[in-house]
Amino acid sequence: AQKITQTQPGMFVQEKEAVTLDCTYDTSDQSYGLFWYKQPSSGEMIFLIYQGSYDEQNATEGRYSLNFQKARKSANLVISASQLGDSAMYFCAMRPNTGNQFYFGTGTSLTVIP
Amino acid sequence: SAVISQKPSRDICQRGTSLTIQCQVDSQVTMMFWYRQQPGQSLTLIATANQGSEATYESGFVIDKFPISRPNLTFSTLTVSNMSPEDSSIYLCSVGALSYNEQFFGPGTRLTVL
Repeated sequence: AQKITQTQPGMFVQEKEAVTLDCTYDTSDQSYGLFWYKQPSSGEMIFLIYQGSYDEQNATEGRYSLNFQKARKSANLVISASQLGDSAMYFCAMRPNTGNQFYFGTGTSLTVIP
Repeated sequence: SAVISQKPSRDICQRGTSLTIQCQVDSQVTMMFWYRQQPGQSLTLIATANQGSEATYESGFVIDKFPISRPNLTFSTLTVSNMSPEDSSIYLCSVGALSYNEQFFGPGTRLTVL
């Protein structure tokens, strides 16, 4: 069975500071992808970053980086230099490469404080 | 990246009626996915829609309640039938790119059932 766990229902960060959003996953698949999405209050899901299970380097996309620790089955999202526009829900998701099903965590609500 | 549009963006419907949600993609894709996000919850996959074949439904979702059409490689519809207040959710259409490291979502349809 696949399971994604986000243990932080809400997080606060000061503007311009860095913040880490936690994500752990459980899967018996050997090959899979890990994704992070941002969902602002408008409801759209915005793709942020991807990490493949066989990628040796941590993924980075601008201010977003993924701290991937495969042995611990964790895929934490790090947002550097937080901006007010980063306030949103953030979802971690995993997709086994054997199929198309996405498994989502329960999300973390991030609030950036001016 | 794929550009996905959905219609309507939001609707308020009466109990017992049906609503059809449209999803249009700006490129041809093999698989399209429909997700539901109930208030304050994460995303749950309803079904996978392949062009030219019956949609594949996830556990807990049935065709009579959520009929899906996929007439071509750029378009799909999801109907929410015989609605009840429990169907109040955001419904999102999603497509994958050719490579496994991308998955895009439409802007969502915010449905309220009275």
